[in-house]
Amino acid sequence: EVQLLESGGGLVQPGGSLRLSCAASGFTFSSYGMTWVRQAPGRGLEWVSSISDGAGSTYYADSVRGRFTISRDNSKNTLSLQMNSLRAEDTAIYYCARGTANPAYWGQGTLVTVSS
Amino acid sequence: DVVMTQSPLSLPVTLGQPASISCRSSQSLVYSDGNTYLNWFQQRPGQSPRRLIYRVSNRDSGVPDRFSGSGSGTDFTLKISRVEAEDVGVYYCMQGTHWPRTFGQGTKVEIK
Repeated sequence: EVQLLESGGGLVQPGGSLRLSCAASGFTFSSYGMTWVRQAPGRGLEWVSSISDGAGSTYYADSVRGRFTISRDNSKNTLSLQMNSLRAEDTAIYYCARGTANPAYWGQGTLVTVSS
Repeated sequence: DVVMTQSPLSLPVTLGQPASISCRSSQSLVYSDGNTYLNWFQQRPGQSPRRLIYRVSNRDSGVPDRFSGSGSGTDFTLKISRVEAEDVGVYYCMQGTHWPRTFGQGTKVEIK
């Protein structure tokens, strides 16, 4: 059974940093691109970032480019999102998903709140 | 960026009646490999999104056959043949052809 488990969310002050993780199991992690999608409170889905299976290619939304870094450790079946210079508008539930063109499986999400 | 426009944004439906959601893209979603990467997701209240349909018309495993997807190029539709109570939620289209990936605004389906 495919499982994606996000962690690392929490309350952080504006300008602060946070690192999200997504532990994957139930499939060959190194064979799939991975994606982060976020959802601000009461709002729709927003694509944040994707990474190819071998980590050779990374992609970012304009709203996070230069502040967020996506990475993966295929030996540990883990996807990460390093978030720096956080802003109030980054407040959202962050989901990791398997796949980049057709994200098939999603985690339960982790809540990031940016507030002073 | 490719803009995904859904309509309607709110869809009150009577149980047992059909429902239809439109999704239009600002550019063709046909990729160079010939595939069209248009997905539909369902998000029930308090839950994570769940993929229903991928590549326009392919239903995911476990998705009831009352859900169907159709369309081509820039014009796509999700249909529910007979709405059931468990179908309440928000439905999103998403394109996976172009970077950045983009979602529609979401269509809220509720029971009249």
